[in-house]
Amino acid sequence: DQQVKQNSPSLSVQEGRISILNCDYTNSMFDYFLWYKKYPAEGPTFLISISSIKDKNEDGRFTVFLNKSAKHLSLHIVPSQPGDSAVYFCAASENAGNMLTFGGGTRLMVKP
Amino acid sequence: DADVTQTPRNRITKTGKRIMLECSQTKGHDRMYWYRQDPGLGLRLIYYSFDVKDINKGEISDGYSVSRQAQAKFSLSLESAIPNQTALYFCATGLTSQHSDTQYFGPGTRLTVL
Repeated sequence: DQQVKQNSPSLSVQEGRISILNCDYTNSMFDYFLWYKKYPAEGPTFLISISSIKDKNEDGRFTVFLNKSAKHLSLHIVPSQPGDSAVYFCAASENAGNMLTFGGGTRLMVKP
Repeated sequence: DADVTQTPRNRITKTGKRIMLECSQTKGHDRMYWYRQDPGLGLRLIYYSFDVKDINKGEISDGYSVSRQAQAKFSLSLESAIPNQTALYFCATGLTSQHSDTQYFGPGTRLTVL
């Protein structure tokens, strides 16, 4: 059973609007969460992360929110740009063990 | 030059053949990983190595083996390839000293087993 789930396989957003990508997890031992972005024919690249001691982390246009009680995190992209069109993977690890468990990914399409 | 390189980038092979995928890194990281990506399933861990003499099975190691020839090199072998091993394979590196658990990925190898 998948411990990290991204229930929306795809999302389409207009340029300039907000993109919200969601991720749910079941393992309460996860204490570190990451988002990766993947373009076609390239490997995933690290985007942003958050520790379980925080509920929000911001980096430019990207903000990750963590709701531990709901075992839910989300990535907000504001404003969305066409270059943000990619597949986004949520990942989690426990006890800083450097083992990542990935979600299935969400394909984001930002329309000009 | 890329920090994490994978060869080959694409490979088509037949059922029963032995295949080796190679990964090299110039990041100086001690940890290396092999993942496969399948549609809707994200990336799943096949094997990982925290040092040259350390090899560990991941979530889906059956049918695969690995070799850590040096700190910078980590190869993945399919001893007898089967069609359901058709997938995109990624190598990744990580640094023990970083609490962040961030991993850095190569560009991937697309493997097709006929």
